[in-house]
Amino acid sequence: DSGVTQTPKHLITATGQRVTLRCSPRSGDLSVYWYQQSLDQGLQFLIQYYNGEERAKGNILERFSAQQFPDLHSELNLSSLELGDSALYFCASSVGGEGETQYFGPGTRLLVL
Amino acid sequence: GENVEQHPSTLSVQEGDSAVIKCTYSDSASNYFPWYKQELGKRPQLIIDIRSNVGEKKDQRIAVTLNKTAKHFSLHITETQPEDSAVYFCAASKKQLTFGSGTQLTVLP
Repeated sequence: DSGVTQTPKHLITATGQRVTLRCSPRSGDLSVYWYQQSLDQGLQFLIQYYNGEERAKGNILERFSAQQFPDLHSELNLSSLELGDSALYFCASSVGGEGETQYFGPGTRLLVL
Repeated sequence: GENVEQHPSTLSVQEGDSAVIKCTYSDSASNYFPWYKQELGKRPQLIIDIRSNVGEKKDQRIAVTLNKTAKHFSLHITETQPEDSAVYFCAASKKQLTFGSGTQLTVLP
């Protein structure tokens, strides 16, 4: 157990819908990262928040957005869902903001039908 | 930005043999190189990492070597066991982690 928690574990929804994924970092970690892993694909970095502020953006679609709250948990919002958005979404956390060891949560498996 | 290439994409070894996975990176400013193991449907788990001021690091059956000049680093697993079967990802970071495409390691009993 890495100490990073994610909810829900599984999510099934329809195209065009909107979902919210939630992540709680390890105690003491200030950074939260979001990754997307499609079937047979590697880990694609989406976005990073550090202590409530957006720190870095990766390959995140405009339909996706995220935020980090004062208690440091983070939410990833996915809207206007398409079939291709079906994937495992992982969050990870680290103590600092750059070049730090990242610990991954168990992931949320999203299926868009 | 950073680009990480990982080889091979699949690797089968007999139990007890060694396995080597290699990665190259493009950004000479990258200074942190972790390796993750991911079992099917589970989270990536950090197994070992190395920073650019070190050339080699070992933890029991696992070792990582780094060649900064050539911009490549490798994962070595000795005395492989069936439970080592998984997908292994390398990554390189200056600020953000950029992952390789993964290696599916199968250890045959």
